Amino acid sequence: EIVLTQSPGTLSLSPGERATLSCRASQTVTKNYLAWYQQKPGQAPRLLIDDASNRATGIPDRFSGSGSGTDFTLTISRLEPEDFAMYFCQQCAHLPLTFGGGTKVEIK
Amino acid sequence: EVQLVESGGGLVQPGGSLRLSCAASGLAFSRYWMNWVRQAPGKGLEWVAIIKQDGSEEFYVDSVKGRFTISRDNAKNSLYLQMNSLRGEDTAVYYCTGGSGWTTETWGQGTRVTVSS
Repeated sequence: EIVLTQSPGTLSLSPGERATLSCRASQTVTKNYLAWYQQKPGQAPRLLIDDASNRATGIPDRFSGSGSGTDFTLTISRLEPEDFAMYFCQQCAHLPLTFGGGTKVEIK
Repeated sequence: EVQLVESGGGLVQPGGSLRLSCAASGLAFSRYWMNWVRQAPGKGLEWVAIIKQDGSEEFYVDSVKGRFTISRDNAKNSLYLQMNSLRGEDTAVYYCTGGSGWTTETWGQGTRVTVSS
């Protein structure tokens, strides 16, 4: 089973700042099949990025994904008020599919 | 509009059974791998099970193997999860999700399952 470790656990930032979230895998994620999701309280997760760097339909370009192998990054270039939420990574290459523990982006 | 709508959740005693359903609309359901993903109260996301487009393959997380069964009816654009021998640790919101590959592109709003006496 591939274990995904997200860091930091909580990121305290102000609107307009840049957010950098990390997701590290215990083994190589084949073909970089790594996805990022945003979840707000009481809502279902929403796909932001798939295949490590491909923005999903309708996702603003301030969200970007990068990385390969075992180290992946989600960057939010300038935080908007609606971006304060939980973020999860998921590897979609190996069964069982697994999620990271999440990073909470909160208002400083 | 793409929609996945779950139903069938509720309160059940330990050892009991529930059947979750997910009705899909606005997407080519028969082309999608479909999953169930759950989230325990205040916790992260846990993938539970996946089924291939034609229903010929299914896979489960170890903690539910032998107790849960995922199935689908492409004629009805519906996904199901039969849950038997339920335990307290199965308490969660269960999401129906799908994608053209194993990435979960589309999510329902979830149905809550509570296992308690």
